[in-house]
Amino acid sequence: QTVVTQEPSFSVSPGGTVTLTCGLSSGSVSISYYPSWYQQTPGQAPRTLIHSTFTRSSGVPDRFSGSILGNKAALTITGAQADDESDYYCLLYMGSGIWVFGGGTKLTVL
Amino acid sequence: QITLKESGPTLVKPTQTLTLTCTFSGFSLSTSGVGVGWIRQPPGKALEWLALIYWDDDKRYRPSLKSRLTIIKDTSKNQVVLRMTNMDPVDTATYYCGHYGWLFHFDYWGQGTLVTVSS
Repeated sequence: QTVVTQEPSFSVSPGGTVTLTCGLSSGSVSISYYPSWYQQTPGQAPRTLIHSTFTRSSGVPDRFSGSILGNKAALTITGAQADDESDYYCLLYMGSGIWVFGGGTKLTVL
Repeated sequence: QITLKESGPTLVKPTQTLTLTCTFSGFSLSTSGVGVGWIRQPPGKALEWLALIYWDDDKRYRPSLKSRLTIIKDTSKNQVVLRMTNMDPVDTATYYCGHYGWLFHFDYWGQGTLVTVSS
């Protein structure tokens, strides 16, 4: 069974840039997996940031961007702000109507 | 605008069947390409996709839970129901429903409902 991997935690300084990644335990992530990214703060529902690898959802600031880096999907936050401190999840479409979330990355801004 | 809201019991006993309802507005489940999915999150853990029903009544399930899950839609009531049989304490989680648009992602989410499985 393929596992979707994310860094468990990451830290970034205010104003800094951070790249979170989303990989596979076996194989490479490509645009064919239609990676999407979600931000979640404690006690709240997820908020959709990016879909189809690159496309920002409505209302999402352009300091959030998605890409493919090497064999992983990536979410880059440029100019990190205090309220970016959240959990971030990627979601991959595995084909045959099956979706798998990654384990999430807890981002600290300090 | 699109909104979704989950409803159902907050407490179920082990072995019981959980029935959750997602009531939505701002879209129709008879529109081509649209779907509604269910995702859960155990306390302190990651999101987990469970099931999705499409406008054409096609249904998809998480393989490891397929035997326990049933998803149905009532287009006239703008509702989607998820049933999960044989509940266990490990199924304790916040259950979310989400709007599925084109391009393989969930773009709108309900607020979630916490379901605790305990005797």
